[in-house]
Amino acid sequence: DAKTTQPPSMDCAEGRAANLPCNHSTISGNEYVYWYRQIHSQGPQYIIHGLKNNETNEMASLIITEDRKSSTLILPHATLRDTAVYYCIVRPPPGTGNQFYFGTGTSLTVIP
Amino acid sequence: DAGVTQSPTHLIKTRGQHVTLRCSPISGHKSVSWYQQVLGQGPQFIFQYYEKEERGRGNFPDRFSARQFPNYSSELNVNALLLGDSALYLCASSLDLAGASYNEQFFGPGTRLTVL
Repeated sequence: DAKTTQPPSMDCAEGRAANLPCNHSTISGNEYVYWYRQIHSQGPQYIIHGLKNNETNEMASLIITEDRKSSTLILPHATLRDTAVYYCIVRPPPGTGNQFYFGTGTSLTVIP
Repeated sequence: DAGVTQSPTHLIKTRGQHVTLRCSPISGHKSVSWYQQVLGQGPQFIFQYYEKEERGRGNFPDRFSARQFPNYSSELNVNALLLGDSALYLCASSLDLAGASYNEQFFGPGTRLTVL
């Protein structure tokens, strides 16, 4: 299973963009990158996923490097409610299981 | 629409006892996965079930078992509880497994198990 490496913690000023990096240097060509977040012991919440191209939805943007060895989750205008632990996950190829392997994540604190 | 539901929300047991945790997936979802989250760590995969069959198992001892029912709800059973089993147990459901390019997993709120 491809492993991910994330910084343990980050701070971001409210209203500014939060850029959360993730290293997944052993990712294989058909594995997707997923991002989830978990707010204070609630169940993890899906944010976004991608394979090769950059992706954007109403919550965030996902930038994946051309070699796919790293990615960045961008929260364009961070609010206090974005304070959470953010997990970068590499999903096994389709047909090999649907389980997600979480790391320790990045604890993001949005500062007023 | 109701999301993934889990019961009970909190549970206190003593060492050596057994526990059963329950999960109801989102309507139409056929896959259920169980995760254990110890304080300060990310969720760790325990089991995945799809159409009542076990499709994946994480690195957990045989004291952990699970099953999925015809209505796709699921139970996680843990026997001979240890102090180290104290954790948040998360259930996640997804729409389909085979052939999908991606399957978003929807997580429930979890069951907080404390073993004394």
